[in-house]
Amino acid sequence: SAVISQKPSRDICQRGTSLTIQCQVDSQVTMMFWYRQQPGQSLTLIATANQGSEATYESGFVIDKFPISRPNLTFSTLTVSNMSPEDSSIYLCSVADKNIQYFGAGTRLSVL
Amino acid sequence: EDKVVQSPLSLVVHEGDTVTLNCSYEVTNFRSLLWYKQEKKAPTFLFMLTSSGIEKKSGRLSSILDKKELFSILNITATQTGDSAIYLCAVEGSQGNLIFGKGTKLSVKP
Repeated sequence: SAVISQKPSRDICQRGTSLTIQCQVDSQVTMMFWYRQQPGQSLTLIATANQGSEATYESGFVIDKFPISRPNLTFSTLTVSNMSPEDSSIYLCSVADKNIQYFGAGTRLSVL
Repeated sequence: EDKVVQSPLSLVVHEGDTVTLNCSYEVTNFRSLLWYKQEKKAPTFLFMLTSSGIEKKSGRLSSILDKKELFSILNITATQTGDSAIYLCAVEGSQGNLIFGKGTKLSVKP
């Protein structure tokens, strides 16, 4: 299975600032996914990132709030912009390998 | 609207017990059902099921899918404290995205 490195593993941020989360994969993958897991909740898909095209966002998520970059087939970033306490969550990237999605270690974000 | 429902939401058992976790779904253009174990942050893959009636097994864990009744179960026999985790069920739709259930929080007491 693909090995996924995600960083930072955790951060504490001030309201109104932005944080960029990085996701690196050890092999080339077509699709990368970004999920959010709010406290006590399950995973919710934010967007799907394909290399060379704009990310596809799920209902309730917008590019201005969660801009995504996908410069090549092994790397992607998710930015959480203009943060508020409601953005405190675990953010996870995942990749599909032989139709199975594997997850990075996640970023635990706390917004004060 | 696609949805995945897991039950129970939480479960407390003692070491050595056998547990059954349930997952039902309503998803357009079903492709597969996956089970994950989440201990800290990252869900780790357990099983992928695509065909009805074929049991997947790994050690003390096993899972089976019923595509007619739209559900799956995950069994854990002879539970150990290391099995304590949240178990997530997810269904893959036609776009390759995963729809997750809320999870079952399993606590195994010594």
